[in-house]
Amino acid sequence: QVQLQESGPGLVKPSETLSLTCSVSGGSISTYYWSWIRQPPGKGLEWIGYIYYSGSTNYNPSLKSRITISVDTSKNQFSLKLNSVTAADTAVYYCARKRDFCSGGTCYPIGHFDFWGQGILVTVST
Amino acid sequence: DIQMTQSPSTLSASVGDRVTITCRASQSISSWLAWYQQKPGKAPKLLIYKESSLQSGVPSRFSGSGSGTEFTLTISSLQPDDFATYYCQQYNTYSGTFGQGTKVEIK
Repeated sequence: QVQLQESGPGLVKPSETLSLTCSVSGGSISTYYWSWIRQPPGKGLEWIGYIYYSGSTNYNPSLKSRITISVDTSKNQFSLKLNSVTAADTAVYYCARKRDFCSGGTCYPIGHFDFWGQGILVTVST
Repeated sequence: DIQMTQSPSTLSASVGDRVTITCRASQSISSWLAWYQQKPGKAPKLLIYKESSLQSGVPSRFSGSGSGTEFTLTISSLQPDDFATYYCQQYNTYSGTFGQGTKVEIK
């Protein structure tokens, strides 16, 4: 059973960089796609972006200019950096595994999120 | 971007009721739709993927249907454990847009 666990600071100052890591256990990170999703308090879910083990990424256009997602296959981890944060970035951040769709020997990042971390609340405040 | 709209936003129901939640996409997403259940303080849990495929371990009272732009999640007989918020999510594009959520409350 794949398990994911987010880690990182729970408090970040405005204009600084939010940095989170997701540790994957029970399976190799060198398959599927790996995503970040966030949820502001009392609100809905927002997809942030995903990465493949090869390092290829896709980001939410609304956040693209501020995001970097990276992967460390040796540690079975992937990470999120969100810079120039404001109070609007206060949210519970989840990491999740994104399934793919394979056809004719080619796999595409078209898939649902089947395993999720428990989430980590990050508050942006002085 | 594809927008996902769920209705209703809140639903009051009793144990044993049949419950239906609707999700509409702003353009066709074929069958690339998932449903998730979220309880307070917990991560979302996958219920249904590819419009109607039941995730392993999910009770058979949950079912999904639809295609193109209109989809439904049905709970055939609501159980006490089912009071939660439900989200649809499209993954037709390489990204993934969620609906705004439907909260199922006790009547």
